[in-house]
Amino acid sequence: DVKVTQSSRYLVKRTGEKVFLECVQDMDHENMFWYRQDPGLGLRLIYFSYDVKMKEKGDIPEGYSVSREKKERFSLILESASTNQTSMYLCASSSQGRDYGYTFGSGTRLTVV
Amino acid sequence: AQSVTQLDSQVPVFEEAPVELRCNYSSSVSVYLFWYVQYPNQGLQLLLKYLSGSTLVKGINGFEAEFNKSQTSFHLRKPSVHISDTAEYFCAVTDNYGQNFVFGPGTRLSVLP
Repeated sequence: DVKVTQSSRYLVKRTGEKVFLECVQDMDHENMFWYRQDPGLGLRLIYFSYDVKMKEKGDIPEGYSVSREKKERFSLILESASTNQTSMYLCASSSQGRDYGYTFGSGTRLTVV
Repeated sequence: AQSVTQLDSQVPVFEEAPVELRCNYSSSVSVYLFWYVQYPNQGLQLLLKYLSGSTLVKGINGFEAEFNKSQTSFHLRKPSVHISDTAEYFCAVTDNYGQNFVFGPGTRLSVLP
């Protein structure tokens, strides 16, 4: 069974901490994505990557950075966490081309206090 | 640019009743359409997709959707819902390249006993 694994389901961090959210996929997918999901706002794209060491800004990149050193791993970094970054974070991957859609991880619910 | 509209933010329905969740899209190019379901505190799971061919697409859990190009719609239907169908449903569109998806805001389906 194909999988996208997010390292934590629930995370609580303090304001100002540096936070790493890890995502690993075992499907040899080229494309990987980070979204945040908030009530009433739907899914918003933070960053995405089409290849190793490649990254592109999505719709709301401010306050975030990413790292993709290996094809299977895409990390989201909150350099200095703030309370407005409290959210559900979803990682997804897909193959080149359109046939397969996204495969999502289970999500990480981050609370910044 | 593509966009997706889901006019109904919440749909309550009694168990064993039929349901239709509406999705309309806009795009200047050919599109490929998807429905995803999100159960509480989980990631998104693919329900069904339209890539080409028959405009009536069948998915998992008894759901189906019909692609209507003239009305730019991709409505999701189920003839008889169960309590376990309570979830949030997202319509999504991608273009020929399939790398970036645009998601609708979601429809929360609540199945009542």
